Amino acid sequence: DAKTTQPTSMDCAEGRAANLPCNHSTISGNEYVYWYRQIHSQGPQYIIHGLKNNETNEMASLIITEDRKSSTLILPHATLRDTAVYYCIVRVSVSGSARQLTFGSGTQLTVLP
Amino acid sequence: GAGVSQSPSNKVTEKGKDVELRCDPISGHTALYWYRQRLGQGLEFLIYFQGNSAPDKSGLPSDRFSAERTGESVSTLTIQRTQQEDSAVYLCASRASGRASYNEQFFGPGTRLTVL
Repeated sequence: DAKTTQPTSMDCAEGRAANLPCNHSTISGNEYVYWYRQIHSQGPQYIIHGLKNNETNEMASLIITEDRKSSTLILPHATLRDTAVYYCIVRVSVSGSARQLTFGSGTQLTVLP
Repeated sequence: GAGVSQSPSNKVTEKGKDVELRCDPISGHTALYWYRQRLGQGLEFLIYFQGNSAPDKSGLPSDRFSAERTGESVSTLTIQRTQQEDSAVYLCASRASGRASYNEQFFGPGTRLTVL
């Protein structure tokens, strides 16, 4: 799996959009970009994933650059409950080989009142 | 239940003792994972069960660690002769089969293990 680079921490004002960047310059053509988050004292929670097209769901949007070397997770209207560590990972997404997750240190997002 | 559950939520033990951690996956989920997370660090994969296939034990750090799963239900992670470096949160996750959801792992709240 390709390595990812994320900022250690970010702050965001409540109600504003939180934009979390991730660099994955060595991503391969068959690797997807996944985002998970982990709220303090809880297990990780899946947010979104994508291959090359931008994706949106009820939680967030994922913007992947055309060269796929970086992406941005967007929380459109951050709330205090979005304070968490956000993990960006890239991995092959093929049934049978999509086994374990490996997280780095992620980005600590703090939403400020 | 509605989600993955783990027990106990906290376990304090003395160095050298054995511990057993339990995971109840979401009903019907065929895949089950154990991870370890040390304080302030990311996830460390331990072991993976998929249906009746042989488990992937490639992440187990030593032979003191073992895990079992009965069918597609409960799993137990056993650590023998615990060491202080085993102190961590042990997370269990389960995943459904099927193309629509096969990449989404649902995590339990974890068991915080402290070895004194």
